[in-house]
Amino acid sequence: DQQVKQNSPSLSVQEGRISILNCDYTNSMFDYFLWYKKYPAEGPTFLISISSIKDKNEDGRFTVFLNKSAKHLSLHIVPSQPGDSAVYFCAATAYGNNRLAFGKGNQVVVIP
Amino acid sequence: DVKVTQSSRYLVKRTGEKVFLECVQDMDHENMFWYRQDPGLGLRLIYFSYDVKMKEKGDIPEGYSVSREKKERFSLILESASTNQTSMYLCASRAGGHSNQPQHFGDGTRLSIL
Repeated sequence: DQQVKQNSPSLSVQEGRISILNCDYTNSMFDYFLWYKKYPAEGPTFLISISSIKDKNEDGRFTVFLNKSAKHLSLHIVPSQPGDSAVYFCAATAYGNNRLAFGKGNQVVVIP
Repeated sequence: DVKVTQSSRYLVKRTGEKVFLECVQDMDHENMFWYRQDPGLGLRLIYFSYDVKMKEKGDIPEGYSVSREKKERFSLILESASTNQTSMYLCASRAGGHSNQPQHFGDGTRLSIL
């Protein structure tokens, strides 16, 4: 049973525009959410996270929004750059739990 | 910066061989993890360890075992490699305690079983 779902497996966006990635979760115990970025033949790189006490967290061009009532989070990348072309994974965990539940990933292609 | 190092980037082995994948982290992290990544399936947890000599099964432990004799090192063992274990293997580590901390990943080992 997949607890973290990323629909729309791929996204193409023009350089300079906004990329929006969506993630839904089913486990109401989840209270810490993360986004990872992965290039081919490399390991995932931690990008940004948010805890359930917040509804928004910003780090430079990356912003994560959390809607707890809808069990939904999104990652906004603005402006998108060609180096942002990668697979993005959403992940979630509950307090004190070592395990992360991962989504299956979204491929983002930024067109120069 | 956290450094998680996997001993091989690419590895080719034969069916039936015993295969060792090694992972070392330099941040004194209590928790270490082994995942495999396959197209369309995302990251799936094989095993993790929360302390030296401690281990817990993940979602897909069958055909694998692990060893954690030292805090900085976590080994994944394929007891008798099979072709369906061809995959990208990723090691990660995370600090302990109750604070929210991300897992940090190595660059992965692309393993092919012939």
